[in-house]
Amino acid sequence: DQQVKQNSPSLSVQEGRISILNCDYTNSMFDYFLWYKKYPAEGPTFLISISSIKDKNEDGRFTVFLNKSAKHLSLHIVPSQPGDSAVYFCAARIIQGAQKLVFGQGTRLTINP
Amino acid sequence: NAGVTQTPKFRILKIGQSMTLQCTQDMNHNYMYWYRQDPGMGLKLIYYSVGAGITDKGEVPNGYNVSRSTTEDFPLRLELAAPSQTSVYFCASSYRAGGNSPLHFGNGTRLTVT
Repeated sequence: DQQVKQNSPSLSVQEGRISILNCDYTNSMFDYFLWYKKYPAEGPTFLISISSIKDKNEDGRFTVFLNKSAKHLSLHIVPSQPGDSAVYFCAARIIQGAQKLVFGQGTRLTINP
Repeated sequence: NAGVTQTPKFRILKIGQSMTLQCTQDMNHNYMYWYRQDPGMGLKLIYYSVGAGITDKGEVPNGYNVSRSTTEDFPLRLELAAPSQTSVYFCASSYRAGGNSPLHFGNGTRLTVT
């Protein structure tokens, strides 16, 4: 029962272009969505989040869009830089309780020079 | 500025052995978590704690135990290691439970059970 799905295991983008990472979810009880970035041999680091009452949140080069009717969110990175090459995890939070996040499988983003 | 520190970084166990994965944080966070990540999969919550003396099960708690005697430390115990517990284990902490209080992760412990 995969409540959060990232259907693209990998994505390759040219430096300077836009990277779009997608995430789908099934549980309408999720109230917060987060993106984490992970480099090899390191733990995930928080990138950006969005509340379920919003449809867009922007932080510098990173923008997250939420479409509640489609149960879909996406992360846009513009412009893409070589340092953005990493695995990106989408995560969703259940409304009640502590920060019990449900993670997607991750998408490996490679930025080509 | 250590953040969340996990030890050891790597460990190989034989089936049936036991071990404790250590986790400590210096941010005075009340909330702490243990996740495991299997290859090609997302992170799954094993146990979490909302404060010293309080722990609760996550999505995949079987085969593990935890304790939280101090705010800083949240060790994870494997009593009878099984090959299914081969994974990368991440400890994390957060300031509060809110969605805009992100988790801070350690760098992980890679465990192999053979």
